[in-house]
Amino acid sequence: TQLLEQSPQFLSIQEGENLTVYCNSSSVFSSLQWYRQEPGEGPVLLVTVVTGGEVKKLKRLTFQFGDARKDSSLHITAAQPGDTGLYLCAGEVDGNDYKLSFGAGTTVTVRA
Amino acid sequence: KAGVTQTPRYLIKTRGQQVTLSCSPISGHRSVSWYQQTPGQGLQFLFEYFSETQRNKGNFPGRFSGRQFSNSRSEMNVSTLELGDSALYLCASSYNRLPGSYEQYFGPGTRLTVT
Repeated sequence: TQLLEQSPQFLSIQEGENLTVYCNSSSVFSSLQWYRQEPGEGPVLLVTVVTGGEVKKLKRLTFQFGDARKDSSLHITAAQPGDTGLYLCAGEVDGNDYKLSFGAGTTVTVRA
Repeated sequence: KAGVTQTPRYLIKTRGQQVTLSCSPISGHRSVSWYQQTPGQGLQFLFEYFSETQRNKGNFPGRFSGRQFSNSRSEMNVSTLELGDSALYLCASSYNRLPGSYEQYFGPGTRLTVT
């Protein structure tokens, strides 16, 4: 059982549409990261959120950390083919040091 | 700054053999973590090293081991390879271990195939 549950598992949308990926847990996280991974490469860090209720924006990407620090969401506005990839959330559980727990990932495909 | 480098990028081994993978972290990063990524299990934490000391390890058998050198470079070893060890092995480095700033920077990975 994954500590972090991501949904949906797969997402295929047309260029210009919006999408949201969710990351949920019953555990509290001291921090939560979002990564994007392309085939044959390692995950690339997109953002870190640490404060409950925090919202961060990275161009067309908006990241939100839940008030209770148990969940997060990633919203992409006007998706582009370059947004295609595997999106992973990862968190460090309070009191569980020196490791990140990863969700299973959401595969996003943006069609031109 | 150069990113995390991993060697080799691809490796094919047969069952029963052993393998050593290498990771050079970003300059100045003293924490190195290793992960195994498979389609079925996703990213699974193997172990983390800081200043040559293992501070945490995941739920993997003793066949999986690692070490870190004084220059922060790290190696992981898998002995008596099994077919199920076929995976992408990712190394990640981190500068600061304080809660709230545990951001990891990943290398491209080593694709290990066991036949």
